[in-house]
Amino acid sequence: QLQLQESGPGLVKPSETLSLTCSVSGVSISSRSYYWGWIRQPPGKGLEWIGNIYYSGTTHYNPSLKSRVTISVDTSKNQFSLKLTSVTAADTAIYYCARVDTEDPFYFDYWGQGTLVTVSS
Amino acid sequence: EIVLTQSPGTLSLSPGERATLSCRASQSVNSRYLAWYQQKPGQAPRLLIYGASGRATGIPDRFSGSGSGTDFTLTISRLEPEDFAVYYCQQYGSSFTFGPGTKVDIK
Repeated sequence: QLQLQESGPGLVKPSETLSLTCSVSGVSISSRSYYWGWIRQPPGKGLEWIGNIYYSGTTHYNPSLKSRVTISVDTSKNQFSLKLTSVTAADTAIYYCARVDTEDPFYFDYWGQGTLVTVSS
Repeated sequence: EIVLTQSPGTLSLSPGERATLSCRASQSVNSRYLAWYQQKPGQAPRLLIYGASGRATGIPDRFSGSGSGTDFTLTISRLEPEDFAVYYCQQYGSSFTFGPGTKVDIK
């Protein structure tokens, strides 16, 4: 059964770098059938797509965040990661990792439970 | 970037009633690229509808999606207690964007 689990620090200081990892179980992250993505949700607000990655390392980022975002994949650990630099309070959010099926790569069919990251000194 | 608008912001209904949620796009969206999600408090979003009208795995048939171009609709034929939640539409153009959501709460 597919499971996605986000992990990382719950508190990050302003101007520092937010780093999260999504551990995938139940399917190989190296499968050509899937992309892997990050989405965030400020508390009480709506959803914002951050970016996606393919097992080969090909990435696709939200233009509004592109200058600060790096998504990478570690196939040996069946994980993919998010780095967001120069964070501010506006980056406080629940961060979700999710899967996209390459046959229909237009929506997220499985999501992790999410992890809250607070940006504060 | 395509902007999605959802209406109403909140829909207050009783169990057993029909819910009709609207999602409007700022420009035409390929129906294949339109999805709906349900989110309950403290939970991740769950895919309900893909390709504007296809039900995701395990989704009851009281949920249906329709629409084309710039106007899409999610209908819940008879509300069950577990259906009271927030619903988001999402499209894929050159980027993924989500609507602001419609909250369906108990009247």
